[in-house]
Amino acid sequence: QSALTQPASVSGSPGLSITISCTGTSSDVGTYNYVSWYQQHPGKAPKLVIFDVSNRPSGVSNRFSGSKSGNTASLAISGLQTEDEADYYCSSYIGGITVFGGGTKLTVL
Amino acid sequence: QVTLRESGPALVKPTQTLTLTCTVSGFSLSTRGMCVSWIRQPPGKALEWLALIDWDGDGYYSTSLKTRLTISKDPSKNRVVLTMANMDPVDTATYYCARTDSSTWYFDYWGQGTLVTVSS
Repeated sequence: QSALTQPASVSGSPGLSITISCTGTSSDVGTYNYVSWYQQHPGKAPKLVIFDVSNRPSGVSNRFSGSKSGNTASLAISGLQTEDEADYYCSSYIGGITVFGGGTKLTVL
Repeated sequence: QVTLRESGPALVKPTQTLTLTCTVSGFSLSTRGMCVSWIRQPPGKALEWLALIDWDGDGYYSTSLKTRLTISKDPSKNRVVLTMANMDPVDTATYYCARTDSSTWYFDYWGQGTLVTVSS
């Protein structure tokens, strides 16, 4: 099973919004509404920020939102803050296995 | 409070078998719906899911690595164990265990990770 495709990097200015895409196929993202997103700061473990495409865990800022269209899922972050600068990974359950995306480095300029 | 902690050797030699232990607290490995996964991350690279064990003890494995992996658990000791055979330098990575949702397999709690280096 191939990894999901994410842009290597995105950037945005404080206060503005960005979107990170996660592209799969009709066999994974396109079929299952089981996409999750993780934020990872350098040297730290990943942290869940979105599950099941668009659900936020308790304690995660409502500046984070998720969506899906066809074979592509997206993570949006509004009102960018310096602490949002991190690597972001998407993941999709595919019936008995899970695949991750290649990761996106978010730079807050 | 849910916590997970990985432990194991920091250095293994090529061809050796790696054994990693995940000790959990705040939930029971025997409770229906409770699953634990192992995920790794080579230095500077992306996350890679390796294996999952569910509350019934059934294991699920990465397609590309399943011939080398075995996942098991000891609920009485709150431990999940991953073994990876025939280690190679490309297996050098930080290995994480994570509590996993049983329905849609998202990872809601993670351990801090343990770095394993494969070198002679």
